[in-house]
Amino acid sequence: QTVVTQEPSLTVSPGGTVTLTCACSTGTVTNGYYPNWFQQKPGQAPRTLIYSVSNRPSWTPARFSGSLLGGKAALTLSGVQPEDEAEYYCLLFHGGAWVFGGGTKLTVL
Amino acid sequence: EVQLVQSGAEVKKPGESLKISCKASGYTFTTYWIGWVRQVPGKGLEWMGIIYAGDSDARYSPSFQGQVTFSADRSISTAYLQWNSLKTSDTAMYFCARRDAYYNVDYWGQGTLVTVSS
Repeated sequence: QTVVTQEPSLTVSPGGTVTLTCACSTGTVTNGYYPNWFQQKPGQAPRTLIYSVSNRPSWTPARFSGSLLGGKAALTLSGVQPEDEAEYYCLLFHGGAWVFGGGTKLTVL
Repeated sequence: EVQLVQSGAEVKKPGESLKISCKASGYTFTTYWIGWVRQVPGKGLEWMGIIYAGDSDARYSPSFQGQVTFSADRSISTAYLQWNSLKTSDTAMYFCARRDAYYNVDYWGQGTLVTVSS
């Protein structure tokens, strides 16, 4: 069974930069895993930030960027704002199935 | 404007059946997939599976195969998630989400809270 791993928690200062990663137990994450990234705040539905590695929907601020980094999918937040404090999830497609990572709780402090 | 509007919260007893809905608008329903996601209170997101609205081709994640059923009614642009016999462990928030042909998951429903308790 495929396991997708994210950092459980990260802390960043306002205005800073932070990178969240998403690793797959099957090996190197590639474009063919179609990594999607979502943000979820308490009591809200998830919101899509990034799809297919690095594509931003129209509502995603430019400070969010996606990439492949060191065999993992990565989400980088530059110029972090207080409102970016949230849980972040990645979603990978592998072997005909989609699997979420466990989520990263991002604290802005 | 693309919208996915889910049905309201449900409170059920173990063993009861349930069908919740996800009504789509603002796009051509039959050319997209609808995925279902479970979130147990205080826990992360779990991908349950997906259904193609065009022909009701459904794919289930192993953990949910045989436990739930996906369906879609093209005439009213609505996808459904159904249980035949609920368990207390089915208590969770359930989200629907749209996926396109390029594997992009973009729009989400607001969620339906299902509580199963005796």
